[in-house]
Amino acid sequence: AQTVTQSQPEMSVQEAETVTLSCTYDTSESDYYLFWYKQPPSRQMILVIRQEAYKQQNATENRFSVNFQKAAKSFSLKISDSQLGDAAMYFCAYAVSGTYKYIFGTGTRLKVLA
Amino acid sequence: DGGITQSPKYLFRKEGQNVTLSCEQNLNHDAMYWYRQDPGQGLRLIYYSQIVNDFQKGDIAEGYSVSREKKESFPLTVTSAQKNPTAFYLCASSLVAGGNNEQFFGPGTRLTVL
Repeated sequence: AQTVTQSQPEMSVQEAETVTLSCTYDTSESDYYLFWYKQPPSRQMILVIRQEAYKQQNATENRFSVNFQKAAKSFSLKISDSQLGDAAMYFCAYAVSGTYKYIFGTGTRLKVLA
Repeated sequence: DGGITQSPKYLFRKEGQNVTLSCEQNLNHDAMYWYRQDPGQGLRLIYYSQIVNDFQKGDIAEGYSVSREKKESFPLTVTSAQKNPTAFYLCASSLVAGGNNEQFFGPGTRLTVL
């Protein structure tokens, strides 16, 4: 079965510091996509970053980057120079190429301390 | 501005009543989705639609129904058969159904059964 696991229910980071959120997944597929979504207090989900499994290079979006370890089935999110606006729930998600279904992890609540 | 709207933001229902949650998108996306979000759980797929007049059950479709008569609209009805309907409901859309396509989310509807 395809599963996504986020083992950290809650994390805290000091403003301007760096934090890494963990995500592991289980699949037998070779062509898939991985996502990190942010859900702020407004509850609207926003895509933070996306990684194609066939790309070896880790995706980067400004202060957000991933460490994609395909063999280990690990997909962690690094947030650099954390800002108060980064405080949110972060969901890791997986989707097989060409299919409709996203599988979401249970989320990690990130607190940013001033 | 293009986006997804959901209404109402908050909805209260008495036991035994059916209620309909609205979801509209003006992104010209073919695919639309309904998710349910409960505390401590990831998003779970209720129904999805790849094209007008077509929709498929997701993982937790029991007690829910949908229609897709127009490309931009995908309403969700929570029926009295749904035993535990109190939850946060998110609607999403993507250009086409497929894991490589980013899903865009609406702001959600909080349903409470009294």
